Amino acid sequence: EVQMVQSGGGLVQPGGSLRLSCVGSGFMFSKYYMSWVRQAPNKGLEWVASTNQDGIERNYVDSVKGRFTISRDNAKNSVYLQMNNLRVEDTAVFYCVTGGALFMRFWGQGALVTVSS
Amino acid sequence: QSALTQPPSVSGSPGQSVTISCTGTSSDVGSYNRVSWYQQTPGTAPKLMISEVSNRPSGVPDRFSGSKSGNTASLTISGIQAEDEADYYCSSYTTTSTWVFGGGTRLTV
Repeated sequence: EVQMVQSGGGLVQPGGSLRLSCVGSGFMFSKYYMSWVRQAPNKGLEWVASTNQDGIERNYVDSVKGRFTISRDNAKNSVYLQMNNLRVEDTAVFYCVTGGALFMRFWGQGALVTVSS
Repeated sequence: QSALTQPPSVSGSPGQSVTISCTGTSSDVGSYNRVSWYQQTPGTAPKLMISEVSNRPSGVPDRFSGSKSGNTASLTISGIQAEDEADYYCSSYTTTSTWVFGGGTRLTV
């Protein structure tokens, strides 16, 4: 059974930093693109970032470029999202997802990030 | 990176068919067959229902189908059931190597 277990959400002040983590199991982690997708309260889905199998190729939505960094550690079956200089408008549930090349297959349970003073 | 356009809501009675449209541009839906559809019920993570325009992952009922014409993709649910009541989102790969989602459509059964 495929599982994506997320950790790292929480409350942070504007301008602060937070790191999200996601551990995958039940599939060949190193063979898949990995992505992060977020959902602001009562809003729709927004793609945030994706990385290819070896972590070399990374793409971001314009609103997070220069602030967020996606990375992965295939030895630990893990993908991360380092978020710096957080803004109030970054408040959302963040999902890690397998895929990002053709479609997004398996979704984590989500982690709530709240940016507020 | 403008969002794809979906109707905010659709509705139907059990057993009827409904179609949800997803309109993009020649830079996303019109350029690739990497259009997918996701179902989300309140408080849960989205679930992939259709990949690459019309492929149905294992476990998804065959009453769900997808298609595309030009810059518009569509999700059709034939013979809707009460359990299909949810929010549905389309997504497409773009020519700038990014992904874009639609605004979501609330299906009421």
